[in-house]
Amino acid sequence: AQSVAQPEDQVNVAEGNPLTVKCTYSVSGNPYLFWYVQYPNRGLQFLLKYITGDNLVKGSYGFEAEFNKSQTSFHLKKPSALVSDSALYFCAVRDMNRDDKIIFGKGTRLHILP
Amino acid sequence: EAGVAQSPRYKIIEKRQSVAFWCNPISGHATLYWYQQILGQGPKLLIQFQNNGVVDDSQLPKDRFSAERLKGVDSTLKIQPAKLEDSAVYLCASSWQGRTEAFFGQGTRLTVV
Repeated sequence: AQSVAQPEDQVNVAEGNPLTVKCTYSVSGNPYLFWYVQYPNRGLQFLLKYITGDNLVKGSYGFEAEFNKSQTSFHLKKPSALVSDSALYFCAVRDMNRDDKIIFGKGTRLHILP
Repeated sequence: EAGVAQSPRYKIIEKRQSVAFWCNPISGHATLYWYQQILGQGPKLLIQFQNNGVVDDSQLPKDRFSAERLKGVDSTLKIQPAKLEDSAVYLCASSWQGRTEAFFGQGTRLTVV
């Protein structure tokens, strides 16, 4: 069965610095990978996805993520953090070769310090 | 394009009472999901529909939870009777044919007292 691990409960970054939120996954086949963001009292908002092709994918609000098949990782990155990026971030995986379930990690709280 | 609509936004009930949540997915989306998100945790898939058929309900507590998707559009999720541990946000999402990203509604926050 597929699974997602987000090893950090919280990440603190100073405004203007680059940020990285880590994600590793496990699937039996080829993965679809996603990042979502959740603001207080809101649903999940889609940020970006990796399906195939270029390992570096770009998404909303200046975020990007790098797919690394050998390390089974899909880390979320941004070159320069904003205070407004403070939120809860979820990594998710779907196994292309099996069922269509989307499995989420437990989430990482990103705190951008002014 | 209208997003996924859910109602109500908030619900407070006593344990052993029943409750129902409603979801209207994005028009044309064949796949509909219900997730449970307990505070401090990631969303957990309860049930997934493809049109009006169930694809996966392996984590749905079937002794108290039920869900239906009549005519392959709207869906309702019911809990009867509710327990304290059912307190959570219930998220509905939909996607095209189950092979792309899912789009989420704002969720229903359930508090069982």
